[in-house]
Amino acid sequence: GNSVTQMEGPVTLSEEAFLTINCTYTATGYPSLFWYVQYPGEGLQLLLKATKADDKGSNKGFEATYRKETTSFHLEKGSVQVSDSAVYFCALSDPGTGGFKTIFGAGTRLFVKA
Amino acid sequence: GAGVSQSPSNKVTEKGKDVELRCDPISGHTALYWYRQSLGQGLEFLIYFQGNSAPDKSGLPSDRFSAERTGGSVSTLTIQRTQQEDSAVYLCASSSSGTENYGYTFGSGTRLTVV
Repeated sequence: GNSVTQMEGPVTLSEEAFLTINCTYTATGYPSLFWYVQYPGEGLQLLLKATKADDKGSNKGFEATYRKETTSFHLEKGSVQVSDSAVYFCALSDPGTGGFKTIFGAGTRLFVKA
Repeated sequence: GAGVSQSPSNKVTEKGKDVELRCDPISGHTALYWYRQSLGQGLEFLIYFQGNSAPDKSGLPSDRFSAERTGGSVSTLTIQRTQQEDSAVYLCASSSSGTENYGYTFGSGTRLTVV
């Protein structure tokens, strides 16, 4: 079945460090891919998305490129801030359901130290 | 409304009692989703509605769980005879319908504790 696998956390970085959170997926068809973020004490928010191969989603300095050949959608940021501390979820829309059902990875917790 | 609203935000219940969780989606969003997030775990899909119908109930853990949606708007998730393993944060999300998934808007969740 369709699934999402992301790197286990927690990831601990110093401020201004480069961030990569790995995400790979398994899916039949052509899913859309997403990153959601959950800040402490808050609900999940859509961070960025990409709907087809080679698309790059970007928001708030974060980027991810839809790589069909490696079935990956790694999240990157060039210089993290303390305020980026959160849990990040990689997700895909299940094409078998017409694109509406979303499957989430287990989440990766990021701690950024000042 | 402006966002997805869930109530109550916290619920503590005794084992064996029934609970109802409510979700009020963004006005005009025809698709509504329920997920469960257990401590330190990812999001577990429960059920989704398109309008008032539920094309996919595959994630409901047992027949103690049921959900309905009326008027294409508010949805209620009911858990009967609650068990301690039902303790989790129950998240509701909504999205506009269409041929593409543009992403969900989530509510803040209901934290359910079964004691």
